[in-house]
Amino acid sequence: EDKVVQSPLSLVVHEGDTVTLNCSYEVTNFRSLLWYKQEKKAPTFLFMLTSSGIEKKSGRLSSILDKKELFSILNITATQTGDSAVYLCAVNRGSTLGRLYFGRGTQLTVWP
Amino acid sequence: DTEVTQTPKHLVMGMTNKKSLKCEQHMGHRAMYWYKQKAKKPPELMFVYSYEKLSINESVPSRFSPECPNSSLLNLHLHALQPEDSALYLCASSPIQGSETQYFGPGTRLLVL
Repeated sequence: EDKVVQSPLSLVVHEGDTVTLNCSYEVTNFRSLLWYKQEKKAPTFLFMLTSSGIEKKSGRLSSILDKKELFSILNITATQTGDSAVYLCAVNRGSTLGRLYFGRGTQLTVWP
Repeated sequence: DTEVTQTPKHLVMGMTNKKSLKCEQHMGHRAMYWYKQKAKKPPELMFVYSYEKLSINESVPSRFSPECPNSSLLNLHLHALQPEDSALYLCASSPIQGSETQYFGPGTRLLVL
């Protein structure tokens, strides 16, 4: 059975801390891994990763994929209260067009 | 315009009501999706439309009826819902079915009494 597992499920930090969120997956016919940030409502797209070892970066956020060990990490440096959200990891399989397999998410809370 | 819009934002309905959720995008995307998300759970795929034709139905009960009138619009018609159908309903779109990046709308929060 295909699985996408995120850890930790929740994390509380103070502003300025650096956090690392984990996503491991076991899926057949892997095509890509996506990270989304979900605040009150819609998930907003952060990164799409398809190749191992290539870091994607956007401001204080960065992410990398390891296709050999089947995991990805999302790093957030110098966290701010606005980073508080649920971070969702999703995997796209090549054989199931359009069906994203989501993890349960990591609830990040950043205190001032 | 990289936005997916959804109306209404909130909806309260009784179990005998008929209502519709609406989703719109003007990015020229040819694939549109409905997801259901319960509290503290990830989104679950319900339907996928590709080029205005239903491509995937994830064994959703018939009280949920999707419709794609044109390439920009996606509706979800609701009839005789149950309280356990209360959830956040998310619409998403992507350039084509299977293109990895799906863009989500803000969702409709539905409460069934």
